Amino acid sequence: GAVVSQHPSRVICKSGTSVKIECRSLDFQATTMFWYRQFPKQSLMLMATSNEGSKATYEQGVEKDKFLINHASLTLSTLTVTSAHPEDSSFYICSASGQLANYGYTFGSGTRLTVV
Amino acid sequence: QQPVQSPQAVILREGEDAVINCSSSKALYSVHWYRQKHGEAPVFLMILLKGGEQKGHEKISASFNEKKQQSSLYLTASQLSYSGTYFCGTGKAAGNKLTFGGGTRVLVKP
Repeated sequence: GAVVSQHPSRVICKSGTSVKIECRSLDFQATTMFWYRQFPKQSLMLMATSNEGSKATYEQGVEKDKFLINHASLTLSTLTVTSAHPEDSSFYICSASGQLANYGYTFGSGTRLTVV
Repeated sequence: QQPVQSPQAVILREGEDAVINCSSSKALYSVHWYRQKHGEAPVFLMILLKGGEQKGHEKISASFNEKKQQSSLYLTASQLSYSGTYFCGTGKAAGNKLTFGGGTRVLVKP
């Protein structure tokens, strides 16, 4: 089945630093990647949609200069949280779409970000 | 706009059945169902495309009523492994972004 590898699984960083999260589709070409953020006991909130080779589309209220998304190839998308603050602490998950319409989207394993 | 899921939580005894509903105020192309265990990423269960189809996965099945813009997930003869939070995700087109409901917490007890 389709696999999306997400790294790192956990990261602790200091306020003001940047963190990069990678998502790779291992056995299929992910034409579209979705980035979600999930706070404890809450739903998945879409942050942005990225298509290979083009600029990401951000959801309303998401700062594109703070959450930099790059989708340089059909198998790799990255999310960089710049100048992280404690309120950015959350569970970040990527999801890939690239298969036929009757396939679900494959999620990465998630990244638990803690900003101290 | 976020689809509405109900109930928010349900507690079952092993072997019992449950229904989780997902309603949208907008026309839908597809409804996805996922289950998430604590601290893990969501796992895909099934996708339903417009056309009123019904699908099944183990003893979990789902229906999609396009006219009512609703989908229901049926947990039949629940097992302990069914515990988790179930999310419906709705899409307006193939390959389109999904908007997830608030989730339904399911706890199956022995």
